[in-house]
Amino acid sequence: ELKVEQNPLFLSMQEGKNYTIYCNYSTTSDRLYWYRQDPGKSLESLFVLLSNGAVKQEGRLMASLDTKARLSTLHITAAVHDLSATYFCAVDGMDSNYQLIWGAGTKLIIKP
Amino acid sequence: DSGVTQTPKHLITATGQRVTLRCSPRSGDLSVYWYQQSLDQGLQFLIQYYNGEERAKGNILERFSAQQFPDLHSELNLSSLELGDSALYFCASSVKGTANYNEQFFGPGTRLTVL
Repeated sequence: ELKVEQNPLFLSMQEGKNYTIYCNYSTTSDRLYWYRQDPGKSLESLFVLLSNGAVKQEGRLMASLDTKARLSTLHITAAVHDLSATYFCAVDGMDSNYQLIWGAGTKLIIKP
Repeated sequence: DSGVTQTPKHLITATGQRVTLRCSPRSGDLSVYWYQQSLDQGLQFLIQYYNGEERAKGNILERFSAQQFPDLHSELNLSSLELGDSALYFCASSVKGTANYNEQFFGPGTRLTVL
């Protein structure tokens, strides 16, 4: 059974700092997705990672995928208040019959 | 704007009632997914339809049902509502079938409050 674990689940940090959110999954997959959700709003697709070693960057966010370690990271560089949101990772693959299996989400609060 | 539309935005109803939530996928997307998100909770996958047929079921209660119509819009029916059904209900769509990955695009959601 494909399971996805994110950590930390809650993160409070100061503006200007760097931090990393981790997404581990339990079985073989090379397809991983990161989403952002603002409070009370919908989910927005941030990154789609489709191969081992894939790295994507958008502004202060960078996502990477290591399929051998079954690990993806979402790195925040020089955080700004506008990045405060909940970040979800999701994985699909044969073991989930290609359904997205979601992490619990990481609630990120960035204090000015 | 993801291109996925959902109506209504808000719905307030009483316990025991029945409601219908509607979703129109992005143009060209064949798959529709329904999710439930309770307050400060993660996403619970309910059900998926692909080109009019049920493709996968998640943690969907027997009181809930869904369908996808020939024009690909979908409806989620919730009946015998309970207080615990109060949540955000999201619809998402994906191409599924012509792309080799499953990026889903989410609608704005329907906030259901059961009193």
